[in-house]
Amino acid sequence: GENVEQHPSTLSVQEGDSAVIKCTYSDSASNYFPWYKQELGKGPQLIIDIRSNVGEKKDQRIAVTLNKTAKHFSLHITETQPEDSAVYFCAASKTDKLIFGTGTRLQVFP
Amino acid sequence: KAGVTQTPRYLIKTRGQQVTLSCSPISGHRSVSWYQQTPGQGLQFLFEYFSETQRNKGNFPGRFSGRQFSNSRSEMNVSTLELGDSALYLCASSPRTGVYEQYFGPGTRLTVT
Repeated sequence: GENVEQHPSTLSVQEGDSAVIKCTYSDSASNYFPWYKQELGKGPQLIIDIRSNVGEKKDQRIAVTLNKTAKHFSLHITETQPEDSAVYFCAASKTDKLIFGTGTRLQVFP
Repeated sequence: KAGVTQTPRYLIKTRGQQVTLSCSPISGHRSVSWYQQTPGQGLQFLFEYFSETQRNKGNFPGRFSGRQFSNSRSEMNVSTLELGDSALYLCASSPRTGVYEQYFGPGTRLTVT
């Protein structure tokens, strides 16, 4: 079945450093790849997304890259801040059903 | 614009009981999806409703059901609760069905004892 693998499961960085989270998907028909940030006690918040006809997308300190041939996509956060600390989920979809990765707990130390 | 709202936020039920959770989507959004989040299984898709019709369903037993009303509000029901049903149930709304961005509510934390 459809599967999304996400690495690493935990990531600790110093404030100001960059953080990279990687995901691999199994279904080559997937064409939509969102990233969500989930803080304690809250629902996932959509932070950026990319569609299969685009290789890279940026929004201020956040960027996502997609390699369709290798079936993997990555989230890049630059100049990390303590408020970036949260659990990040990648997802892949070809319909309205999102298949989520297992999550990455990002900790940004001041 | 107000976000997705879910009620109740917390719920404690006993094994064998049934429960109904409610979701109000973002104004103008007509698609509502439900997800279950647990530490062991992560985020798993339950089902999606659009225009009062179930459009897609995940791999959950028939004890899990849902419906959508003409104002796009949605409810999900779990009958004959089991301990393993303890989870955070998340509702997400989208402008339309298909491959579009989904916005999540805060979830309902269900504890089954």
